[in-house]
Amino acid sequence: SQELEQSPQSLIVQEGKNLTINCTSSKTLYGLYWYKQKYGEGLIFLMMLQKGGEEKSHEKITAKLDEKKQQSSLHITASQPSHAGIYLCGADAGKTSYDKVIFGPGTSLSVIP
Amino acid sequence: DTGVSQNPRHKITKRGQNVTFRCDPISEHNRLYWYRQTLGQGPEFLTYFQNEAQLEKSRLLSDRFSAERPKGSFSTLEIQRTEQGDSAMYLCASSPRSGRSPLHFGNGTRLTVT
Repeated sequence: SQELEQSPQSLIVQEGKNLTINCTSSKTLYGLYWYKQKYGEGLIFLMMLQKGGEEKSHEKITAKLDEKKQQSSLHITASQPSHAGIYLCGADAGKTSYDKVIFGPGTSLSVIP
Repeated sequence: DTGVSQNPRHKITKRGQNVTFRCDPISEHNRLYWYRQTLGQGPEFLTYFQNEAQLEKSRLLSDRFSAERPKGSFSTLEIQRTEQGDSAMYLCASSPRSGRSPLHFGNGTRLTVT
């Protein structure tokens, strides 16, 4: 079965610094999703990637899917305290399986003002 | 679009009691999912429905767990004879159609079994 790994497990950065979170899959990623979660709350959808080499941006957050479609990265530019939270990558369970999304363990981000 | 709604937000129960959670998906979404999340972990898939049909159940879903989605609208997740290991955040999500699209999550129900 497919598994997702995330690195780093946690991250503490000074406000204004850039940072990158990685998500690696044991199998090809056909649909890759990035979510953000505040403690005790639900997941907020950020971006979806499908094609090898695809890159999407929203405000100061950029997500990329590598050409081989086994790794994705989430990059935050000029971090702000509002970026703090847990970032989770999720992936469709299979190439033609739109049935469920599996998730990585998450990366906890703290931004120090 | 009022979002996915889950009730209650918090539930504290004694071991051995039964609990039921409710999820109201986004109205036009025909797929509904239940996940369980423990501290420091990502959500784990439990089950999902397309309309009223329950299409898949995880092995995590023991016989004490049952989920329903009557008439393809809201869904309930019941846990019978709760155990301390059931303590977790139970998340509901919905999606609009078949095919590849992101899940929209509710704020979850946090269950504490004492």
